[in-house]
Amino acid sequence: GESVGLHLPTLSVQEGDNSIINCAYSNSASDYFIWYKQESGKGPQFIIDIRSNMDKRQGQRVTVLLNKTVKHLSLQIAATQPGDSAVYFCAERYNQGGKLIFGQGTELSVKP
Amino acid sequence: NAGVMQNPRHLVRRRGQEARLRCSPMKGHSHVYWYRQLPEEGLKFMVYLQKENIIDESGMPKERFSAEFPKEGPSILRIQQVVRGDSAAYFCASSPGQGGYNEQFFGPGTRLTVL
Repeated sequence: GESVGLHLPTLSVQEGDNSIINCAYSNSASDYFIWYKQESGKGPQFIIDIRSNMDKRQGQRVTVLLNKTVKHLSLQIAATQPGDSAVYFCAERYNQGGKLIFGQGTELSVKP
Repeated sequence: NAGVMQNPRHLVRRRGQEARLRCSPMKGHSHVYWYRQLPEEGLKFMVYLQKENIIDESGMPKERFSAEFPKEGPSILRIQQVVRGDSAAYFCASSPGQGGYNEQFFGPGTRLTVL
């Protein structure tokens, strides 16, 4: 059944510091992974993606690392800014059918 | 270049009424996905549609819920005889196609409240 009222894991960082958000995914056959940012009252916003044949991908201020051995994904945000405050979700795709499976999410709070 | 559009943004229904949620995908996108989000939880997949076809409905409740994506017009998620447990945010996403690695772009969501 579904759980109601769980508190999201929270990461609190100082402005300018680097942030690392972690995610454990469930299916070793997943071939595509995405990190989304969700601000309060809004839909998920794409940040960065990575295919299963890669172990690292960099974007602007963000880096995603994939460790298939332990089924672990991480998102690194450099020089975190107050505008980065949001809930971050990892998502995996089981097959090329397109359905995404989302993780629980981590709330990032940036202190000025 | 409009993104994914959803309406209404907020919908209030009494128990037993019907809720209709609409989603217009991004221009050029022919694949639509519906997800549901309960407070402080991740998004849960419900259904994946292409024009006039349901591709994957493994996340849809067996009763009261249906979805369509007609040849013309928006995709519709329909909830009949709503109950309080249906209160949630419903998000629609679209992508250009199934093959390859297609990013899903999300709409702003419809927040359904059942009284």
